[in-house]
Amino acid sequence: GQSLEQPSEVTAVEGAIVQINCTYQTSGFYGLSWYQQHDGGAPTFLSYNALDGLEETGRFSSFLSRSDSYGYLLLQELQMKDSASYFCAVRTGFQKLVFGTGTRLLVSP
Amino acid sequence: GAVVSQHPSWVICKSGTSVKIECRSLDFQATTMFWYRQFPKQSLMLMATSNEGSKATYEQGVEKDKFLINHASLTLSTLTVTSAHPEDSSFYICSATQLSSGTTDNEQFFGPGTRLTVL
Repeated sequence: GQSLEQPSEVTAVEGAIVQINCTYQTSGFYGLSWYQQHDGGAPTFLSYNALDGLEETGRFSSFLSRSDSYGYLLLQELQMKDSASYFCAVRTGFQKLVFGTGTRLLVSP
Repeated sequence: GAVVSQHPSWVICKSGTSVKIECRSLDFQATTMFWYRQFPKQSLMLMATSNEGSKATYEQGVEKDKFLINHASLTLSTLTVTSAHPEDSSFYICSATQLSSGTTDNEQFFGPGTRLTVL
C-alpha cells in the first residue's frame, strides 16, 4: 500500500521557523511535492524535490532524503497568512500524485 | 500561472439525483486531468485520471458507474455523480497538467473545488 505520514497539527508564533515532516512508503517514487491549502480553497503548489537535498524558494524550503524516505518543508519568518494545511505528495507515476495525511499549521501573534 | 476553474463552486441536491461538475483549464491545454475527493479535515484522495478522448482510469474502490468522467476536449473534463447519496457529500477537486513540453511535468494545477451536499 501507499502511506505518507505527517504530524496532524503544528503551532507556532509569527516570525518563528517551523518544520513539517513527511515520511513516505509508496510503490513508486519520482519526487516529493508540497502543497498549501487554506480552508475551503484549492491546494497551491509550493515546491518539488526529485533529488536529495534542499530546495529554497523564498521563505519556504523543502528537503528530501530518498534513502530515508523522508522529506520536510521548512517555513521561515512565519506570518499569520501561513496558517493553513500543508500536504506532502509523492509523484508515484506519470503525473500521478499520492497525498499525505496533511498538517494543520496554526500561526499565532 | 495556469488557471483551472470548476463549476459549480457548491451544489446542494436531493438524494437520488445526479450532479455534474465541470473542470476547465482556462489558459492552457491539459493533457491530463485528475479528480480528487476530500472529506473535512482529511487528505485529498485521487478518484480517477482522465485523458482527453480516452476512458478514465479509476482508482481502486472508486465506482466508475457512479462517478462518470468525460474528458471531451483538452480544456474540459466533467465528473457526474450519479444517484447521489448523503455519503457522497464531499469536496471534489480537479487538477490539470499542461500539454506544453516546455514545462516541468511535476506540477498539477488545481481547481477551486466543488462542495457537494446531498440531502
